[in-house]
Amino acid sequence: QKEVEQNSGPLSVPEGAIASLNCTYSDRVSQSFFWYRQYSGKSPELIMSIYSNGDKEDGRFTAQLNKASQYVSLLIRDSQPSDSATYLCAFPGGSYIPTFGRGTSLIVHP
Amino acid sequence: GAVVSQHPSRVICKSGTSVKIECRSLDFQATTMFWYRQFPKQSLMLMATSNEGSKATYEQGVEKDKFLINHASLTLSTLTVTSAHPEDSSFYICSATLIKGGTHAEAFFGQGTRLTVV
Repeated sequence: QKEVEQNSGPLSVPEGAIASLNCTYSDRVSQSFFWYRQYSGKSPELIMSIYSNGDKEDGRFTAQLNKASQYVSLLIRDSQPSDSATYLCAFPGGSYIPTFGRGTSLIVHP
Repeated sequence: GAVVSQHPSRVICKSGTSVKIECRSLDFQATTMFWYRQFPKQSLMLMATSNEGSKATYEQGVEKDKFLINHASLTLSTLTVTSAHPEDSSFYICSATLIKGGTHAEAFFGQGTRLTVV
C-alpha cells in the first residue's frame, strides 16, 4: 500500500524563522509531489508542486525533492502567523487518486 | 491554478432528509473527481472516486446507497447524502484532478460543505 508519512506536530516556530516540514513516501514510481495548506475549517489549497529532484522556489516557499531517499520537504522562510495551518504532503497514486499524509500542524507565534 | 467550485458551503438539515452537494470544475474538464469527508481535527478520508459516465468507486466501509454519487458531465459531480442522520454531520470536500503533460496530476479542492444534521 502506498503511503505518505508526516510528523503530525505541532511544529512551533517564532515569527520570522524558517519552518521546515518533512514528508517521506513509499511509492517509487510517482513522478509528482505536492504540498497543500489547510486552514482550520477550510479545504486544502495547493501551494507547491514539484516533479524533479532538487529545489523549487516560489516566494517564501521552497520545496525539496529527493527521489532516491523518497523524501520531500517544504521550507517556509520568514514565517508569519498567517502561515499557521496544517500542511499536507501528497502524491497521485494509482488512477491518479491523491494519496495524502496526515498533515503537520504548524504554529507560528509572534 | 485550476478552480473547483463546491456548493453549498454550509447546510443544516433535519434527520431523515437528503442533501445534495455539487462539485464543479470551472476551467477544466475532469473525468475523475473525488469526495472526501473530514471530521474535526482528523485527516481527510477518501469516500469515493467519481467517474464521468460510469459508476463511482467507493472506499471500503462507505455505504454506496447512502452516499449517492453522480458524475453526469466532465465538469460536474454530485454527492447526495440520503436519509441523513446526526452522525453524518461532517465537512465534505470534493476535488478534481488536472492532468498536465499527460503525466503530472494536480488535485484541486472545492471549498467544502459543512453538513449539520439536527
